[in-house]
Amino acid sequence: EPEVTQTPSHQVTQMGQEVILRCVPISNHLYFYWYRQILGQKVEFLVSFYNNEISEKSEIFDDQFSVERPDGSNFTLKIRSTKLEDSAMYFCASSGDFQETQYFGPGTRLLVL
Amino acid sequence: AQKVTQAQTEISVVEKEDVTLDCVYETRDTTYYLFWYKQPPSGELVFLIRRNSFDEQNEISGRYSWNFQKSTSSFNFTITASQVVDSAVYFCALSVYNQGGKLIFGQGTELSVKP
Repeated sequence: EPEVTQTPSHQVTQMGQEVILRCVPISNHLYFYWYRQILGQKVEFLVSFYNNEISEKSEIFDDQFSVERPDGSNFTLKIRSTKLEDSAMYFCASSGDFQETQYFGPGTRLLVL
Repeated sequence: AQKVTQAQTEISVVEKEDVTLDCVYETRDTTYYLFWYKQPPSGELVFLIRRNSFDEQNEISGRYSWNFQKSTSSFNFTITASQVVDSAVYFCALSVYNQGGKLIFGQGTELSVKP
């Protein structure tokens, strides 16, 4: 069964450093998403992406964040200068269409020290 | 603005009991989609069900059933004869048409099923 994969599973970084989180969506999906979940809290939408453009973004997704589809299979989330409050689990998801079911990857746990 | 409320933060039951997880949503849009996801202790988000706003038919899948009522803006989830493996956090989520697929999640309900 096709699935979304994410790397790394865990990342520890120093405040102010740049991090890139990587995702490989399900191969025939065209719509991609990033969400985050601060420990013990609900899942929060960050951004949706289609046809090499951001379709929707939340107020969390400020200028420190960017997304990219660098090739035909990867989808990345970059945080330019990490802050302590960026510590969270980051989930990538993909779907066949915006209204269809989103399937989530296993997440990347980011810890900013 | 859209919102999802899961008023039950934690529920604890004994194995084989039935349990219902409540979900109330708010939206003014007429076209929307409702979802339930399961987050087991391992942390991944597992899709359970998707419903669109035009389909109020209830659904049953094995021990799981869902009750969608537009009149009360609720989309409740019932587990019949609960098992220890059902222990997880369950999230209800809402997606509104023409918002780029953004999923709005509730706070989640942590279900603990004890043997």
